[in-house]
Amino acid sequence: RKEVEQDPGPFNVPEGATVAFNCTYSNSASQSFFWYRQDCRKEPKLLMSVYSSGNEDGRFTAQLNRASQYISLLIRDSKLSDSATYLCVVNTNAGKSTFGDGTTLTVKP
Amino acid sequence: NAGVTQTPKFRVLKTGQSMTLLCAQDMNHEYMYWYRQDPGMGLRLIHYSVGEGTTAKGEVPDGYNVSRLKKQNFLLGLESAAPSQTSVYFCASRSGTVYSPLHFGNGTRLTVT
Repeated sequence: RKEVEQDPGPFNVPEGATVAFNCTYSNSASQSFFWYRQDCRKEPKLLMSVYSSGNEDGRFTAQLNRASQYISLLIRDSKLSDSATYLCVVNTNAGKSTFGDGTTLTVKP
Repeated sequence: NAGVTQTPKFRVLKTGQSMTLLCAQDMNHEYMYWYRQDPGMGLRLIHYSVGEGTTAKGEVPDGYNVSRLKKQNFLLGLESAAPSQTSVYFCASRSGTVYSPLHFGNGTRLTVT
């Protein structure tokens, strides 16, 4: 079983839709969590960190559920420019940083 | 303000040839990582380092070696390249606190024929 698993996708949604991605992790030593965005196989760029209390950045909301070992990303009012692959990343206290396989989002007019 | 720099950006190798990919960071980060990304897949961790002189295996270490002789540099070596190592290679670094995010280089596109 992979340490970090994501919704396989792809997600195809119309502009203005709300879409949610989930990511589960299996390593109980996992300490911190992030969502990254990747465009056309360029280098991933940090979208947001995920805090235990949940956090919001504009149209993006991230949640962490330590008991069930999953994190989520909610995108409201989708824009064409949100089309990308979204990757979750899990850091352990031993320094390891592991990616999920990514979920591809396509926002259509 | 270079951040993380990877060299080379592109390379074509023949099966059996060797090469070294260089990653350099100027942010004084403790931790450095090498990932590979194949088409349609996520980033898979090859090796990583939590400090100068230390390295550890990731998910897919076979066929690769690494060295971290200086804090700012992390080298990835392919001793005998195989077509299965055709991929995009990303280097990343972060500070030693667990809540620090990764900073990436631009990637190296390697083709092994």
